[in-house]
Amino acid sequence: DTGVSQDPRHKITKRGQNVTFRCDPISEHNRLYWYRQTLGQGPEFLTYFQNEAQLEKSRLLSDRFSAERPKGSFSTLEIQRTEQGDSAMYLCASSRQRLGMETQYFGPGTRLLVL
Amino acid sequence: AQSVTQLDSHVSVSEGTPVLLRCNYSSSYSPSLFWYVQHPNKGLQLLLKYTSAATLVKGINGFEAEFKKSETSFHLTKPSAHMSDAAEYFCVVSDLSGGSNYKLTFGKGTLLTVNP
Repeated sequence: DTGVSQDPRHKITKRGQNVTFRCDPISEHNRLYWYRQTLGQGPEFLTYFQNEAQLEKSRLLSDRFSAERPKGSFSTLEIQRTEQGDSAMYLCASSRQRLGMETQYFGPGTRLLVL
Repeated sequence: AQSVTQLDSHVSVSEGTPVLLRCNYSSSYSPSLFWYVQHPNKGLQLLLKYTSAATLVKGINGFEAEFKKSETSFHLTKPSAHMSDAAEYFCVVSDLSGGSNYKLTFGKGTLLTVNP
């Protein structure tokens, strides 16, 4: 079990630039989630994939944000025209669909700083 | 709608003394409840989860939590704190109110400090 991996671990960018983050879930997990965590807060749900289908997006996810999971494996989260308010830790989690409550396993996160 | 309130933003204990981290939840349906721990520069790790089986749930590293429906609480305890327990702890709820049980709602976290 190699765990959930995320790349890059840190990203510094200037306001207005585009950034893209990658998440590789645990290999047999068909569900993938993105969360955002700001300083002093718990993670907040952004979006969710089951296989390649994006099934829900939070209102936190403005039009500048887009997520994909083209082959039902890895996922990317892109932020266009970054703003200082986008500075946060972006967390990816994955789980295997099953009856009852699933357990989500989290990656180490990508910390974004927008200058 | 589901929500979680962690009653203490910071708890400080001495090594070897008991730990109590308090959590109250709100849920329209039968919830599933979790505690996650986050060490600095590391990912969130699941400590334990409650999914309508036994109300007393045992987790890793000697932690346990008790689900009390009448009090809508899910407090985390450990009999004896270790220095390595110092971290941020999150109480998390998930229920079926959104039509699926996949979305987690986190509390704001409790920072646990362990003094030698």
